[in-house]
Amino acid sequence: AQSVTQLGSHVSVSEGALVLLRCNYSSSVPPYLFWYVQYPNQGLQLLLKYTSAATLVKGINDFEAEFKKSETSFHLTKPSAHMSDAAEYFCAVSGIGGYNKLIFGAGTRLAVHP
Amino acid sequence: GAGVSQSPRYKVTKRGQDVALRCDPISGHVSLYWYRQALGQGPEFLTYFNYEAQQDKSGLPNDRFSAERPEGSISTLTIQRTEQRDSAMYRCASSLTGTSGSFPDTQYFGPGTRLTVL
Repeated sequence: AQSVTQLGSHVSVSEGALVLLRCNYSSSVPPYLFWYVQYPNQGLQLLLKYTSAATLVKGINDFEAEFKKSETSFHLTKPSAHMSDAAEYFCAVSGIGGYNKLIFGAGTRLAVHP
Repeated sequence: GAGVSQSPRYKVTKRGQDVALRCDPISGHVSLYWYRQALGQGPEFLTYFNYEAQQDKSGLPNDRFSAERPEGSISTLTIQRTEQRDSAMYRCASSLTGTSGSFPDTQYFGPGTRLTVL
């Protein structure tokens, strides 16, 4: 069975500071991993995805994530937070197969203060 | 082009009533997914369609929930005899295919329908 754990339901950073959102996964098969962002009153938007091509994945808005198999982690980082990054972030996993059923973590709400 | 749309955006109903939630996927997208998101939690898979075929309904919580996609485009999620525990955000997503080769296709999510059962 696959599962995702996001450590920290709320994270607060100062504008310009490093953003680190943690995600650990459990999967019996090589996983595909995703980070989605949800802005208020909008749908989930894909930030980046890991599909085994490279362990360091770059996404939109300078976000990136590194797949570490030994740690079963896929943490999301951004070097310098911007006020517009305030949103809820979800890590998700899917296994190989004929389609892509996503299993999400509980989410981390990021607050950015001046 | 247009993204995934869902209607209504908000639905308030009384316990025991039936509700129908609509999802209009991106044109040409073969795969369609329904998820439910309770407050403070991540989305939880409900069901999956490949064209008009419902290929996985393992996430539907009970037989009050059903979904269809009769022409392989618009989908409707129906909840019969609603209960207060059904209150949640219902999200629809579509993707071009299920997988691109062996890699999963990106899912594009709609804005969701917020269902409140009184």
